[in-house]
Amino acid sequence: EDKVVQSPLSLVVHEGDTVTLNCSYEVTNFRSLLWYKQEKKAPTFLFMLTSSGIEKKSGRLSSILDKKELSSILNITATQTGDSAIYLCAALPMNYGGSQGNLIFGKGTKLSVKP
Amino acid sequence: EADIYQTPRYLVIGTGKKITLECSQTMGHDKMYWYQQDPGMELHLIHYSYGVNSTEKGDLSSESTVSRIRTEHFPLTLESARPSHTSQYLCASSVGRRTYNEQFFGPGTRLTVL
Repeated sequence: EDKVVQSPLSLVVHEGDTVTLNCSYEVTNFRSLLWYKQEKKAPTFLFMLTSSGIEKKSGRLSSILDKKELSSILNITATQTGDSAIYLCAALPMNYGGSQGNLIFGKGTKLSVKP
Repeated sequence: EADIYQTPRYLVIGTGKKITLECSQTMGHDKMYWYQQDPGMELHLIHYSYGVNSTEKGDLSSESTVSRIRTEHFPLTLESARPSHTSQYLCASSVGRRTYNEQFFGPGTRLTVL
């Protein structure tokens, strides 16, 4: 059965700290890995990673995929209270025939950044 | 910012009532989804659609039904609400079947069935 596992499930840090969130996957016909940030309601898209070893960056956030280890990490440097959220990792498989499969989500990592 | 809308945002209703959760997107996306999310738990896919007149059941069994008569509209209906249906329902959309793009999420509907 396809699954995505995130760790830690919960993390409390202070402003200015750097955090690393982990995501591992076991997915048949894996195509890409996505990271989302969920504050209160709707998840908002952060990154989509398809190639191994290529870092994607957006401000203080960065992420990289390791297809050999079937994992990805999300780094946040110089954390701020506004980074407090649940960070979701999701694997996107490819269906037979090449069409896009449905996302398989992990449980998320709840990050709390204290002032 | 993604243009995907859900109404109502919050709904408290009694057992046995029929309810419809609305979801609309103005991006012309072919694929749409409904997820159910309990507090502290992962998102579970309950329905999805590849396009007009296409609906499929997701990984999590659900007593709800969906329809897709128009590209932009993907409502979810519960014929007889029960307390076990209390949850957050998130609607999402993505571009199409043969393109690999992220899903855009609506703001969600928090449903409470008494």
